[in-house]
Amino acid sequence: RKEVEQDPGPFNVPEGATVAFNCTYSNSASQSFFWYRQDCRKEPKLLMSVYSSGNEDGRFTAQLNRASQYISLLIRDSKLSDSATYLCVVKGAYNQGGKLIFGQGTELSVKP
Amino acid sequence: ETGVTQSPTHLIKTRGQQVTLRCSSQSGHNTVSWYQQALGQGPQFIFQYYREEENGRGNFPPRFSGLQFPNYSSELNVNALELDDSALYLCASSREYGYTFGSGTRLTVV
Repeated sequence: RKEVEQDPGPFNVPEGATVAFNCTYSNSASQSFFWYRQDCRKEPKLLMSVYSSGNEDGRFTAQLNRASQYISLLIRDSKLSDSATYLCVVKGAYNQGGKLIFGQGTELSVKP
Repeated sequence: ETGVTQSPTHLIKTRGQQVTLRCSSQSGHNTVSWYQQALGQGPQFIFQYYREEENGRGNFPPRFSGLQFPNYSSELNVNALELDDSALYLCASSREYGYTFGSGTRLTVV
């Protein structure tokens, strides 16, 4: 089983749609949780951290359920510029050296 | 403050050759980690250096090795290149919590 698993893609949605990405992680001792965005042939960039209380940044809402080891990202009113690959990322436990563990990514394509 | 710089941006090597990739850390960041990203996959952790010592390693063979220098810049060396080593190699520097990625080196092994 992979340490971080994401919904398979791609997601093809019209502008203005709401889209949700799901992710599960296997190590309950994981420290921190993130969503990264990666544009084609570019480096990953931090979209937002994910907290147990849930957090929102404009059109983006992230949720963490530690009991279920589940992370989600909701994008409302999607824009053409949201087209990218979204990576679920977990910072490993202290005994893993705190490395970042990436899911395989989910590709989002927003169409006019 | 400068970001993370990687060189070269692109590289083509022949199977069996050796390659060295370089990374300059963001100012003030004392930890550097390297990732391999194959096409269609998420980045995979190779190893991490903290103050010139390796302090974490992923599931990669010994022909993947690294160095970190006193100015916190780093090198990734790969010996006996294989076709499957073709990938985007990403360097990330960090200090405590924030990670900054370089734009990567795209290595093609033919």
